[in-house]
Amino acid sequence: EVQLVESGGDLVQPGRSLRLSCVASGFTFDDYAMHWVRQTPEKGLEWVSGINWNGHSVYHAKSVKGRFTISRDNAKNSLYLQMNSLRAEDTALYFCAKSPLEMVGPTHFVSWGQGTQVTVSS
Amino acid sequence: DIQMTQSPSTLSASVGDRVTITCRASQSIRSWVAWYQQKPGTAPKLLIYKASSLESGVPSRFSGSGSGTEFTLTISSLQPDDFATYYCQEYNSFYSFGQGTKLEIK
Repeated sequence: EVQLVESGGDLVQPGRSLRLSCVASGFTFDDYAMHWVRQTPEKGLEWVSGINWNGHSVYHAKSVKGRFTISRDNAKNSLYLQMNSLRAEDTALYFCAKSPLEMVGPTHFVSWGQGTQVTVSS
Repeated sequence: DIQMTQSPSTLSASVGDRVTITCRASQSIRSWVAWYQQKPGTAPKLLIYKASSLESGVPSRFSGSGSGTEFTLTISSLQPDDFATYYCQEYNSFYSFGQGTKLEIK
C-alpha cells in the first residue's frame, strides 16, 4: 500500500524559512516523479512544485518561484520542500503527491499524503 | 493560465440519486482532466483520470466524460459514503484545480 507521510509544518513568522519532508513507502520511490500541492479554504488546491524521478528536473509555480525549492533523496525515500522568505499567503495545508510517471508532465496525482500545516503569521 | 470552473459549488442530493458535476476549462485541454474526492480532514482521492478512465478500486457508479473544454463527473446512484467535496484538475498545461463541489445530504 502506498503511504506518504508529511512532516515539518509549523507556525512561523513572515520572512522566515521552513523545510517540509515527505517519507514514502509501499512503492519504488525512485521510479516516480513527485509533487507538492497546497490547500487553503479560500483558494482551494494549488500545485506548488514537481520533481522528476532522479531529481534532475524541478518545476515551481510562479507564486513560489525563487523562494521554494523541491528536492528528493531517493536513498531515504524522501521528498523535501525548502520554503524561504515565507509570506502570509503561503499559509496552507501542504500535501505531497505521487505521479504515475517518471517525469514531471501532463498527468494526474495518483496518491496523496495527509498533509502538514504551515501557518505564516507574526 | 488555464482556469477550471466547477458547478455547482454545492449540491444537495439523496441516497440513490443520480448526480452530475460539471467542470469547464478556459481553453481546450483535450482530455487531460482528473477528478478527486475529498472528505474533511483527509487527502484527496483520485477517482477518474484522462477524463473518463476509472482509477483502480473506485466503484463503477463513478464515471467521467467530456473533452475540449467541458467535462462531467457522474455518480449513478449516490451512496452514503459519497457525500464529500469533489474537485476537477486539468493537466494540459501544468496543473490547476476547480474550486470544488460540496455534495451534501438533502
